[in-house]
Amino acid sequence: GQQLNQSPQSMFIQEGEDVSMNCTSSSIFNTWLWYKQDPGEGPVLLIALYKAGELTSNGRLTAQFGITRKDSFLNISASIPSDVGIYFCAVIQGAQKLVFGQGTRLTINP
Amino acid sequence: NAGVTQTPKFRILKIGQSMTLQCTQDMNHNYMYWYRQDPGMGLKLIYYSVGAGITDKGEVPNGYNVSRSTTEDFPLRLELAAPSQTSVYFCASRLAGGERTQYFGPGTRLTVL
Repeated sequence: GQQLNQSPQSMFIQEGEDVSMNCTSSSIFNTWLWYKQDPGEGPVLLIALYKAGELTSNGRLTAQFGITRKDSFLNISASIPSDVGIYFCAVIQGAQKLVFGQGTRLTINP
Repeated sequence: NAGVTQTPKFRILKIGQSMTLQCTQDMNHNYMYWYRQDPGMGLKLIYYSVGAGITDKGEVPNGYNVSRSTTEDFPLRLELAAPSQTSVYFCASRLAGGERTQYFGPGTRLTVL
């Protein structure tokens, strides 16, 4: 099946640092999504990208849809403790299916 | 709105037992989905439904069954539980058409021993 390669797998940073993670695919997709999952919870949508080259912000989060439609990145600026969690990229395959990356686990040292 | 609710939150099964994971949404969403998430991995689609009476297989349907008799409910059935089905199960839903945002429930953590 389709695979999304998400990196890094984990990050250990100091509070206040900026974070960058990315997701690549061998296939073209028309929608890229970024989700965050807190421990014991389901994923929550952070940002949705619908147009190649699009740069979208949601507070301290910024995500870009790559111009080739095969990649996306997510940046978090000035990290705070509540940013801890697992971040997943996802694409919509066909009409229905969400395909997820393996996730990036973010840990923040106070 | 309660959103997407799932029961139970936790369950331990013995090999060969059966159980039904419940999922209900009160947002009048047409589309509903079941995913499983194994440790350290992303979510994989088990089954989905585009409306009452219509279901279809996802990426990993073996060992599971679903039904969709109402818009609100989408139960997932395990008939003969196996250790490979130890996972966290998430239900999700979304509106038909337009923005394709899926809303997820809190998950059911299942262990098969």
